[in-house]
Amino acid sequence: QLQLQESGPGLVKPSETLSLTCTVSGGSISSGNYYWSWIRQPPGGDLEWIATIHYSGSTYYNPSLKSRVTISVDPSKNQFSLRLSSVTAADTAVYYCARHLPCGGTNSCTFDYWGQGTLVSVSS
Amino acid sequence: QSALTQPPSASGSPGQSVTISCTGTSSDVGGYDYVSWFQQHPGKAPKLMIYEVTKRPSGVPDRFSGSKSGNTASLTVSGLQAEDEADYYCSSLAANNYVFGTGTRVTVL
Repeated sequence: QLQLQESGPGLVKPSETLSLTCTVSGGSISSGNYYWSWIRQPPGGDLEWIATIHYSGSTYYNPSLKSRVTISVDPSKNQFSLRLSSVTAADTAVYYCARHLPCGGTNSCTFDYWGQGTLVSVSS
Repeated sequence: QSALTQPPSASGSPGQSVTISCTGTSSDVGGYDYVSWFQQHPGKAPKLMIYEVTKRPSGVPDRFSGSKSGNTASLTVSGLQAEDEADYYCSSLAANNYVFGTGTRVTVL
């Protein structure tokens, strides 16, 4: 059974950079035509897609966050990571990592496995 | 890219059916057959219930069904059960983006 687990600081100061890592177990991040994504949800709010990466290095970003976001992958550790710079209180959210099935052809274009999420608060 | 529009709440008695709408535009819901639905219980991660508008992942009861007409997708839960009480979110591929809905809280009366 595939499992994803987020890790990183729970508190980040305004203007600093938020860094999170997702560790994948029960399967290889490099196998199959899978992509890996970050999604966030503010307290009491709605889901927002942040970014997606393929183990080959192809990346896709939410246009509204693109200038502040970097997603990266480390196949040797079966991990992928998120960096969000210049954070403000509006970036306070539960951050989820998820497996993304690609779009097009016979693919399903959805998020089928999710981590449990990690709350990141932005405060001084 | 704006969020997809869902009603804030929906409810039904056990055994009844409830249908949730998800309205977008021709640039997202109407433009792709890539609508998904997720169930989220309080404090838990979202769970995939429907993908590609109508398909159910293995293990999801057939009480859950999806459909789409034009720019509006729908999720129907038939034979409501207590464990169906949760928040439900739709999502869709959009141009250079992936958008989620505003969420609907389903209450089992």
